[in-house]
Amino acid sequence: EVQLVESGGGLVKPGGSLRLSCAASGFTFSSYSMNWVRQAPGKGLEWVSSISSSSSYIYYADSVKGRFTISRDNAKNSLYLQMNSLRAEDTAVYYCAREESYYDSSGYSHDAFDIWGQGTMVTVSS
Amino acid sequence: DIQMTQSPSSLSASVGDRVTITCRASQGISNSLAWYQQKPGKAPKLLLYAASRLESGVPSRFSGSGSGTDYTLTISSLQPEDFATYYCQQYYSTPPCTFGQGTKLEIK
Repeated sequence: EVQLVESGGGLVKPGGSLRLSCAASGFTFSSYSMNWVRQAPGKGLEWVSSISSSSSYIYYADSVKGRFTISRDNAKNSLYLQMNSLRAEDTAVYYCAREESYYDSSGYSHDAFDIWGQGTMVTVSS
Repeated sequence: DIQMTQSPSSLSASVGDRVTITCRASQGISNSLAWYQQKPGKAPKLLLYAASRLESGVPSRFSGSGSGTDYTLTISSLQPEDFATYYCQQYYSTPPCTFGQGTKLEIK
């Protein structure tokens, strides 16, 4: 079964750090770009960060740039998000998501998030 | 960044109704659009990509259309399990990919 399982969430004080993990199974993890997407309580979805299959390309949302670091270990089929200098506004459920490339007849790649984990809650509060 | 605006923000409908949700991009996105369904306490689920291509396993009552800046998600005959929140996402200009604010579909 294709599966993503997040862990590492919890309660942390403002300014603190947390490391999220996402364990992948049931597919060739090293072939896919991966993403972190978050959802604040009662709010919509916000893309946080992405990493290409070989870690060559890494991107961040402006809201987390300089504070969060995405990484992966293809040998361990795992994705990580190191979160430093946490703020109250970082409080959210954090999802990892696989990015699938669907090619159309012209060869254009449509990159959608086809597999999601169940999410892990991060609460930043004093 | 490309802004995505969904309408309506919420919608009440009955089982069997035909429902349409609209997503407008702040600039043309060349059909680089996905739709997701999210139920309370669950992760989002991919329904469509490339604006109109149905993800494997998704019922055919879901369909998508549009071009340029304007896109729609249509559910032809609402089923009880379809009551959820729906999000559009553009991946034409990334990073960042951006999501609409969501449309909550409720039972009338």
